[in-house]
Amino acid sequence: SQQGEEDPQALSIQEGENATMNCSYKTSINNLQWYRQNSGRGLVHLILIRSNEREKHSGRLRVTLDTSKKSSSLLITASRAADTASYFCAALRSGSRLTFGEGTQLTVNP
Amino acid sequence: GAVVSQHPSRVICKSGTSVKIECRSLDFQATTMFWYRQFPKQSLMLMATSNEGSKATYEQGVEKDKFLINHASLTLSTLTVTSAHPEDSSFYICSASPWTSWREKLFFGSGTQLSVL
Repeated sequence: SQQGEEDPQALSIQEGENATMNCSYKTSINNLQWYRQNSGRGLVHLILIRSNEREKHSGRLRVTLDTSKKSSSLLITASRAADTASYFCAALRSGSRLTFGEGTQLTVNP
Repeated sequence: GAVVSQHPSRVICKSGTSVKIECRSLDFQATTMFWYRQFPKQSLMLMATSNEGSKATYEQGVEKDKFLINHASLTLSTLTVTSAHPEDSSFYICSASPWTSWREKLFFGSGTQLSVL
């Protein structure tokens, strides 16, 4: 079963606004990864944050990790219509098992 | 980046027939590939881990006799849905990564939408 939970399940914003998605997990992790999925397609790796890191940036993406709260957030700044997709967090647990969250469906309206 | 090719992208079959889905790593060798199943608007459910040259490791609740996995080479894994039924209709996705980096980044195929009539 999936152990990750993401909120919100769906998020609708206007172009130019920031989008924040959250992810929680239940057990200790080695790293946490974020992926994007366009409708009917495979997933694309966006960014990874290791368990000893607290924040990472990549272009318009900012990810944070709070291991004490077992949670992570993904921030997309200055969103574009092309950012419309589903976003999944994936936690790499000890034993090398990658578990995906339930996902957030982001809609960016032009 | 590494490329994973998955075919077919869409297949419609009659109930009782078998369907084979291929997953190829085009520019790297993958000793391990992963097969997922995804229902509409839901997360990915890991079905099995495909290991080159050995038997696949199936997740709990996944019938290994129904979902046959073969990983005969370092660049090809296949998933065969045997005696397919309408409840097997779903989106199937494979993933792989060069062995040195699979814990940090997976590359996914584009998925196969299976519809069983």
